[in-house]
Amino acid sequence: DQQVKQNSPSLSVQEGRISILNCDYTNSMFDYFLWYKKYPAEGPTFLISISSIKDKNEDGRFTVFLNKSAKHLSLHIVPSQPGDSAVYFCAASDDKIIFGKGTRLHILP
Amino acid sequence: NAGVTQTPKFQVLKTGQSMTLQCAQDMNHNSMYWYRQDPGMGLRLIYYSASEGTTDKGEVPNGYNVSRLNKREFSLRLESAAPSQTSVYFCASSNEERIQPQHFGDGTRLSIL
Repeated sequence: DQQVKQNSPSLSVQEGRISILNCDYTNSMFDYFLWYKKYPAEGPTFLISISSIKDKNEDGRFTVFLNKSAKHLSLHIVPSQPGDSAVYFCAASDDKIIFGKGTRLHILP
Repeated sequence: NAGVTQTPKFQVLKTGQSMTLQCAQDMNHNSMYWYRQDPGMGLRLIYYSASEGTTDKGEVPNGYNVSRLNKREFSLRLESAAPSQTSVYFCASSNEERIQPQHFGDGTRLSIL
């Protein structure tokens, strides 16, 4: 049973527009949420996180939104750039961390 | 500024062979992790070490052993490799108290024939 779901395997966005990556979770005990970015043949890179006591966290072009009642979080990238093309993993933790399967983001020129 | 270094990058084994995947970090982090990533799957935690001298099982520990040799190094051993262990293995480290990998190595691609 997947506790962290990224229902869109891939997403294509025009350069300069907003990219929105979505993630749903089922375990209400999760209290910390993270996003990682991964390029081919490289390890994941930690991007941004949010605690369950917040509903928004912003870092430059990246903003994560958390809706606890809906058990949903999203990552917004504004404006999208070619270097943002990668696989993005959502993760959630209580004492252990569970990763989603990832969403491949393509930024179109 | 190496970060997390994994060796080897690629390896092909026959079923039943053993091998050790090496990982070292130069950031003085307390916690180290081993993950595996299979096609279409997220990262799954095999083992982690919250500090030198301690190790704990993750989600998928069966068939693996680990050693936290010192603060820098955390190795993963397959005693008798099986085709189901074909995967990409990532080592990671962090200084967070909770289980939260921050810095990953570039992975070891392991094929078991």
